[in-house]
Amino acid sequence: AQTIHQWPVAEIKAVGSPLSLGCTIKGKSSPNLYWYWQATGGTLQQLFYSITVGQVESVVQLNLSASRPKDDQFILSTEKLLLSHSGFYLCAYRGREQYFGPGTRLTVL
Amino acid sequence: QQQVRQSPQSLTVWEGETAILNCSYEDSTFDYFPWYHQFPGESPALLIAIRPVSNKKEDGRFTIFFNKREKKFSLHIADSQPGDSATYFCAASAQSNYNVLYFGSGTKLTVEP
Repeated sequence: AQTIHQWPVAEIKAVGSPLSLGCTIKGKSSPNLYWYWQATGGTLQQLFYSITVGQVESVVQLNLSASRPKDDQFILSTEKLLLSHSGFYLCAYRGREQYFGPGTRLTVL
Repeated sequence: QQQVRQSPQSLTVWEGETAILNCSYEDSTFDYFPWYHQFPGESPALLIAIRPVSNKKEDGRFTIFFNKREKKFSLHIADSQPGDSATYFCAASAQSNYNVLYFGSGTKLTVEP
């Protein structure tokens, strides 16, 4: 069975500070991986997807970047956080369907 | 441009009733339609999905009805239970790129006992 882990569980960061969120999936080789953002009370907005190591496609621009350094790892980052980056960040993988990880809750002050 | 429209924004039903959640789309190339539910503080969980080789998909109390001509699909929750209270999201993607999934705005369902 596949398991997806996200870290950290929650972060409180200052405006202008850097950010790095991680996602790891176990039990599935060469997974398609995804990053989503959800504002409090809002819908899910896909940010990036990656189908292989070293390759990342952007879906929307939110002053964020993503990288796929390993087959089982997907990283979301930015050098300067904005207040608008606050929200719930979700990593997902695709098996027959798409499944979400537990998420990271980010508060930017 | 919103790819997937969802209504109503909120819905309250009594326990035992059927809740009906609606979605529509514009892109005729969309051919995969999942529904997720999300409880407060948790991540979304897949409920049921349809790839419309048929117009209906059932899984227990949950049924998706799909109307290709009108570009609409709906989720029916039969015999609603208080534990079904959550936010429900519909979504859609196209065969040309299953890696991009467009979500509706969500329906907050409350089931009153």
